[in-house]
Formats: sequence, C-alpha cells, structure tokens
Amino acid sequence: DGGITQSPKYLFRKEGQNVTLSCEQNLNHDAMYWYRQDPGQGLRLIYYSQIVNDFQKGDIAEGYSVSREKKESFPLTVTSAQKNPTAFYLCASSSDYQLYEQYFGPGTRLTVT
Amino acid sequence: GQNIDQPTEMTATEGAIVQINCTYQTSGFNGLFWYQQHAGEAPTFLSYNVLDGLEEKGRFSSFLSRSKGYSYLLLKELQMKDSASYLCAVRGSSGTYKYIFGTGTRLKVLA
Repeated sequence: DGGITQSPKYLFRKEGQNVTLSCEQNLNHDAMYWYRQDPGQGLRLIYYSQIVNDFQKGDIAEGYSVSREKKESFPLTVTSAQKNPTAFYLCASSSDYQLYEQYFGPGTRLTVT
Repeated sequence: GQNIDQPTEMTATEGAIVQINCTYQTSGFNGLFWYQQHAGEAPTFLSYNVLDGLEEKGRFSSFLSRSKGYSYLLLKELQMKDSASYLCAVRGSSGTYKYIFGTGTRLKVLA
C-alpha cells in the first residue's frame, strides 16, 4: 500500500538536544512538506521540498533543518535553537500531476522537557 | 499578506446540515482544499475546488467563488463521527508547491 510513514509516534527529549524526525513516502511524489501544529491551531509550514537536493524555508523555519537526499525521504531535525519545540509534527507529500491534494503521515508528537 | 479565515468553532445536531465558511486572501490561486482532522490524527482530504461552483461528494459538498475569495464546506445528514476539525487550505500560484492553511473549524455534533 502506498503512503507516508513517520516515526516514532511519540518522542520525548531533554532540552538542549537535537532530535531528528523521519518521514518516508512511497507515493512517488516530488514534493514533500513539514508542518507544525500546536493545540487548537492550524498547520504552519516549516520547510518544503519540490525536488531532490532542493528545499525551501516555510513560515517558521528558524530552529529547524531538513535534507532531501532521496525522493522518498525528508527528515526534519529540531535543533536546540528552536525555542518551543514541543508540538505535533506532520509530514506530507503531493504530486504536481494529479489532484494536488496533500497526503499526510500519522504525525509525531514531540515533547521536550 | 496572505490570510485564510474560518470560524473557530461550530456546533450542530446529528442529522442536520452545517455550512463551514472560509475566506481567503492569497498571492496567487491554484486550488482550494478541505481536510478533516480528528483530534490527535493527521488531516485527511475531503474536497478540492479550482473552478467556481459546487463540487459534491456524497454527504460533503464544497463551493468556491474565486472573485469573492470565498469557499464553504457543506456537511449533510450529520453523524457523530463528523465531530472533528475542518481545515481550509489554498495552494499558491502554479509553479509553487506551497499550501496555506487556515486555523481550522472545530465542529461538535450533538446527539
């Protein structure tokens, strides 16, 4: 079955540590995205990538970094520079040749204490 | 600037019809999307409008007016499982893969 996987579902870290969230898709989509969602809020774009080896900052990129070395994978690193990292992180992908809808992974809930 | 507005919360009764509105101001337009999100879960795609008019999909319909920067999602024959947040999103101009999301409308369906 085609889809997007994110792991782990829940992640706990101490303040000051970097943490990497994984995102893999087997939908053959070119574009991939990372969003952050805080309680009662909509989705805010962190980074997106339209093609391998290229990515663009979204609206809240500070304190985050990404890489896109393979079409299937778009990992997100939450660095110690991110002041409020505790949030629900969603990865998504989309195709430019179909309906353009975004497919979302199940999300990773990150808690930093 | 770019902005998408939706009501924060709505309440409706099981079996009723509810309309969730969305207004947008974006630089460029290449489609408007509605997603459903249950608490703690990922959003799932409901509908897509790129031309003016109504798109119907079972109990869900979505309407778009590009000249007014306005869309609505219509849910008919409400069921308890429809209690969720409904997110309106706009895709930017052709050539950009960026989507802008509203803050979502939390719908409570009461028995």
